[in-house]
Amino acid sequence: DAGVIQSPRHEVTEMGQEVTLRCKPISGHNSLFWYRQTMMRGLELLIYFNNNVPIDDSGMPEDRFSAKMPNASFSTLKIQPSEPRDSAVYFCASSLWGGSSYEQYFGPGTRLTVT
Amino acid sequence: RKEVEQDPGPFNVPEGATVAFNCTYSNSASQSFFWYRQDCRKEPKLLMSVYSSGNEDGRFTAQLNRASQYISLLIRDSKLSDSATYLCVVNAGRGSTLGRLYFGRGTQLTVWP
Repeated sequence: DAGVIQSPRHEVTEMGQEVTLRCKPISGHNSLFWYRQTMMRGLELLIYFNNNVPIDDSGMPEDRFSAKMPNASFSTLKIQPSEPRDSAVYFCASSLWGGSSYEQYFGPGTRLTVT
Repeated sequence: RKEVEQDPGPFNVPEGATVAFNCTYSNSASQSFFWYRQDCRKEPKLLMSVYSSGNEDGRFTAQLNRASQYISLLIRDSKLSDSATYLCVVNAGRGSTLGRLYFGRGTQLTVWP
């Protein structure tokens, strides 16, 4: 079975540009999570969805960040405009909410560099 | 106070050694507990769930102490391939946030030949 799919795997962009990260969760999973990881701050939860509905976006750094989940098989995280401090690895994860456990499965991540 | 606290290490051990990692969590309502492993420049991957009675998977043993809100991971007969960062993870434990997981900062392990 395919795991969580993310694209692109690497993104290099200039400050001020718009960046869109994409995620396809595991088929059948009903929860999706966006994380950001840096050396300084570790793994931070940005936002998560349950049945395509955003449940908690309190981790989104500021208004430059937005996320959508138009259907059960696709989500985007957008940064507009991007800044050098946004450079990080962005992970998407999915899980089955309501199952016996709540383990999450991560995609390979998008390594973002903003110059 | 952080939801999950771990000793960051690093732990440097020879092959064949036994090594133990510990973490504490703050939310007494948490119901699910995990250890994840993260290799350098890779995504976190589920290593094992942690059950109240303790559980074992090959060379790995996980223990949970709910009274002390303490989780441990024991690795026996360490292999070079065990070198990674080990993340202690607990769920939020309440209502609509039940599926949210809190990740520790991780404990770095290096096994040397």
